[in-house]
Amino acid sequence: DVKVTQSSRYLVKRTGEKVFLECVQDMDHENMFWYRQDPGLGLRLIYFSYDVKMKEKGDIPEGYSVSREKKERFSLILESASTNQTSMYLCASKGGQDSPLHFGNGTRLTVT
Amino acid sequence: GESVGLHLPTLSVQEGDNSIINCAYSNSASDYFIWYKQESGKGPQFIIDIRSNMDKRQGQRVTVLLNKTVKHLSLQIAATQPGDSAVYFCAEVFYGQNFVFGPGTRLSVLP
Repeated sequence: DVKVTQSSRYLVKRTGEKVFLECVQDMDHENMFWYRQDPGLGLRLIYFSYDVKMKEKGDIPEGYSVSREKKERFSLILESASTNQTSMYLCASKGGQDSPLHFGNGTRLTVT
Repeated sequence: GESVGLHLPTLSVQEGDNSIINCAYSNSASDYFIWYKQESGKGPQFIIDIRSNMDKRQGQRVTVLLNKTVKHLSLQIAATQPGDSAVYFCAEVFYGQNFVFGPGTRLSVLP
């Protein structure tokens, strides 16, 4: 089974702090994704990566950046956290062309 | 618990009955479709997928039906159990990599 591990289940940060959300997958997948999930808005894509050191903006990249230094690890960075970034963040990885996304269990971030 | 979807439509079914969860999509160019299940406090979990050139696919206790004429996808769960209580949502997949997710339906199984 594919395992996608997000390092924190819950985080509480203050406005203006720099926040790192870490994600690791163990299936040697080339593709990794960061989504946020909000009530009434569903899953929205923030950034994704098709390869090491490669990144592409998703639908809502503003206020976020990412890092993919190693194939198994994809980090989401909030340079200066704001209260509107309070959300559930989901990391996912994906194998070949017709394979599904495999999600981690999410990080619930609260920015106060 | 986690508030995955406070404003989701809810389907309540009696334990042992069959459940049907529906999803409408808009784009005819989808390659395939996926159903996910998300339990409280967890990430979405893959249930079953169906290619766009198929009408029906069956798994263990689940069946997905695809009606391309009306752009409608459904997930049928046979003999619904308490452990099936979760939010279910569909995803359209384009070009193998682009996922568009539906808003989800909360399934509540009544004892």
